Amino acid sequence: NAGVTQTPKFRILKIGQSMTLQCTQDMNHNYMYWYRQDPGMGLKLIYYSVGAGITDKGEVPNGYNVSRSTTEDFPLRLELAAPSQTSVYFCASSAQGPGSYEQYFGPGTRLTVT
Amino acid sequence: AQKVTQAQTEISVVEKEDVTLDCVYETRDTTYYLFWYKQPPSGELVFLIRRNSFDEQNEISGRYSWNFQKSTSSFNFTITASQVVDSAVYFCALSRINTGNQFYFGTGTSLTVIP
Repeated sequence: NAGVTQTPKFRILKIGQSMTLQCTQDMNHNYMYWYRQDPGMGLKLIYYSVGAGITDKGEVPNGYNVSRSTTEDFPLRLELAAPSQTSVYFCASSAQGPGSYEQYFGPGTRLTVT
Repeated sequence: AQKVTQAQTEISVVEKEDVTLDCVYETRDTTYYLFWYKQPPSGELVFLIRRNSFDEQNEISGRYSWNFQKSTSSFNFTITASQVVDSAVYFCALSRINTGNQFYFGTGTSLTVIP
């Protein structure tokens, strides 16, 4: 199984441009997440989804949008990119059940906004 | 509010030394889960362990061991006889089960094992 895949791996954007980070999982997980990782700051949750058609904000949602039309896909949209969005973005998924299961992470997307 | 503190930003040890990574958490939930992840230099995040709030038994897996103490809100991670391959950033995380299993990560501890 591929697990969680993300595209692209690297991207450079100019200020004001838009882009979509793609995330796909093949584990039939209901829960999916988007994080950003800044140096020395750990991972911060941007958005999460508990199933197709259901999304909710995390700690740092401003400047981002998500959608979840299928179980497998959870794209993250950046509108009007700003230098503050320079970061490494991770997508993750987990099973749903009577407890909290480990999240499986994709390889990450390194985004630079200049 | 949920919070995870990893006060040790960077640690360096000489190979074969033991090292303990500290994790202190805050939550008002009675049921929660704690996790440790490893992020090697290649950048991926690797799951190491999950522990629920009702299970305070220590766990050992090879050279790795974890000490969960609810009384001090700590979930510390010890590597015995460290190896160069243990060099990585280690993250502790807290999960709430009633809000889509959201994770709250600490800021990580960067461990360097010197040969």
